[in-house]
Amino acid sequence: ILNVEQSPQSLHVQEGDSTNFTCSFPSSNFYALHWYRWETAKSPEALFVMTLNGDEKKKGRISATLNTKEGYSYLYIKGSQPEDSATYLCAPLLSGGYNKLIFGAGTRLAVHP
Amino acid sequence: EPEVTQTPSHQVTQMGQEVILRCVPISNHLYFYWYRQILGQKVEFLVSFYNNEISEKSEIFDDQFSVERPDGSNFTLKIRSTKLEDSAMYFCAGLRGEGNYGYTFGSGTRLTVV
Repeated sequence: ILNVEQSPQSLHVQEGDSTNFTCSFPSSNFYALHWYRWETAKSPEALFVMTLNGDEKKKGRISATLNTKEGYSYLYIKGSQPEDSATYLCAPLLSGGYNKLIFGAGTRLAVHP
Repeated sequence: EPEVTQTPSHQVTQMGQEVILRCVPISNHLYFYWYRQILGQKVEFLVSFYNNEISEKSEIFDDQFSVERPDGSNFTLKIRSTKLEDSAMYFCAGLRGEGNYGYTFGSGTRLTVV
């Protein structure tokens, strides 16, 4: 069974703080890592798809890094805003499958004004 | 931007009844999925569908579950005889065939089995 761990489980920060959280996954048979942002009462929305070791992706104030050899990815949010409040899910995709994602439990971020 | 639409948004059903959850994927997607999230638990993979057939299914996806894409547009998940433990949010998702794009998820169906 593929074990995907995300930490912390939840995080409360003040507006303007920068924050980061971790996704760890087995490094064997790695093909890609997906990050999703999931706001309450909405559907998960794709943030990043990362494939290469050392990959870095950026979207506005959110960025992510990937280490496939040791099996982890970090998601960073610079200058958090209340609208960043959401659950952030990571999901690795293994080679040889039909693009099936296995999700971590997520990190629930609350940004307080 | 194209969306994946799911209906109904919420369904309440008696234990033992059949339910059909419906999804209209984006037309140029090639891979289709059903996932579910039981309250407080992880999002779980149920089944993937490619080229008009099931490509992979999880242990959860037993004989009580089936999927169809009968008319090339609607993608349905049927649960033949619902159990209390089937209560969950069910998400349909689609994926383009090329490039490194993420899934596009539907807005979900909240299934409550009573």
